[in-house]
Amino acid sequence: AQTVTQSQPEMSVQEAETVTLSCTYDTSESDYYLFWYKQPPSRQMILVIRQEAYKQQNATENRFSVNFQKAAKSFSLKISDSQLGDAAMYFCAYRSAGTGTASKLTFGTGTRLQVTL
Amino acid sequence: EPEVTQTPSHQVTQMGQEVILRCVPISNHLYFYWYRQILGQKVEFLVSFYNNEISEKSEIFDDQFSVERPDGSNFTLKIRSTKLEDSAMYFCASEVLADSPLHFGNGTRLTVT
Repeated sequence: AQTVTQSQPEMSVQEAETVTLSCTYDTSESDYYLFWYKQPPSRQMILVIRQEAYKQQNATENRFSVNFQKAAKSFSLKISDSQLGDAAMYFCAYRSAGTGTASKLTFGTGTRLQVTL
Repeated sequence: EPEVTQTPSHQVTQMGQEVILRCVPISNHLYFYWYRQILGQKVEFLVSFYNNEISEKSEIFDDQFSVERPDGSNFTLKIRSTKLEDSAMYFCASEVLADSPLHFGNGTRLTVT
């Protein structure tokens, strides 16, 4: 079974600064997807970024980028130019690929990000 | 943009009662999921559903739980006899094809008293 570990329960960053959230995972599969989801106080689940394991290039979405290290099974999220609206719980998640059928997400325990002035 | 819609947003029920959580997935989606998040904890997979049958279920999804797609648009989660520990946020999600982006609903907060 796959596991996802987020070792930072809480992180804090000043507005306009950069912060990196860590995630490691364990799997024996070679083809999979990795995700970062943001959960604000409203408790919606908002997709921040997605990475396909077969792609060596790190995914980016505006101020959000990942550092995907497949051999090390590491998938960190970097948030640049942090904004007050970035304050939320961030979940790392894993999903098997290529199964041809419904495939569940396995989530980490989350990192609560505070953004200060 | 089409959305996954969940109703109600908050449901309060007494222990031992049956509860049905409702979801309307995006209309052309074929794969459906329920996830649960106990307050302050991680999001956990409950069940996946495709072609009118369960594809996979977790250990949490015991005989007290059932899912149904009764009319081709709604996707429901039923808990037969609620327990205090069923209090959680329940998220429905859907996708058009396997491996395509998953769309989450806004969740239903279930409180069992």
